[in-house]
Amino acid sequence: DTAVSQTPKYLVTQMGNDKSIKCEQNLGHDTMYWYKQDSKKFLKIMFSYNNKELIINETVPNRFSPKSPDKAHLNLHINSLELGDSAVYFCASSQATSHRGEQYFGPGTRLTVT
Amino acid sequence: GESVGLHLPTLSVQEGDNSIINCAYSNSASDYFIWYKQESGKGPQFIIDIRSNMDKRQGQRVTVLLNKTVKHLSLQIAATQPGDSAVYFCAESFVSGTYKYIFGTGTRLKVLA
Repeated sequence: DTAVSQTPKYLVTQMGNDKSIKCEQNLGHDTMYWYKQDSKKFLKIMFSYNNKELIINETVPNRFSPKSPDKAHLNLHINSLELGDSAVYFCASSQATSHRGEQYFGPGTRLTVT
Repeated sequence: GESVGLHLPTLSVQEGDNSIINCAYSNSASDYFIWYKQESGKGPQFIIDIRSNMDKRQGQRVTVLLNKTVKHLSLQIAATQPGDSAVYFCAESFVSGTYKYIFGTGTRLKVLA
């Protein structure tokens, strides 16, 4: 029973393409997140989202957009991919809506842009 | 391949010894802190959290200490085991308009047999 799942696990694509990463949580949590982990292992929050509010990290390019069809899903769409987008992307969820409390992370999607 | 993260500060500890991983946080307004463990090829995993109205909190084999005066956080792992080998991240949270959540740079813990 995977709590937070992501697909695909690996994604290799060329510059300029548009791609999506899917995330699903079966924990009944109200809040979901997307994180980016770069090659130096640095983790940075990109978005947090619940039914009421999307909070965007101001440093995230607008080529990145989260889409939530329902409370259990938060997909990440990336347009016009660039080399610097290569990273591991993690989805997470939490019961709390305030970034407080335990967050459950997915296994990650390794994106490689060539 | 796993060439990433090799530059991370590394703490090597003998199996059975206690480990102390340190973290300096940046914002004096931070009022909530979390430690995460990340094993190779996996997502971060919650270990323990602490609010700023506390200076110590204990879990199973782990203790987090918070020193707000010097903006320092530490994670103590008792009787370190091979399964504790991972990268450990601290994270701080504060409110600035909205909730902000910032991860530290991570420390790699290597447990020596």
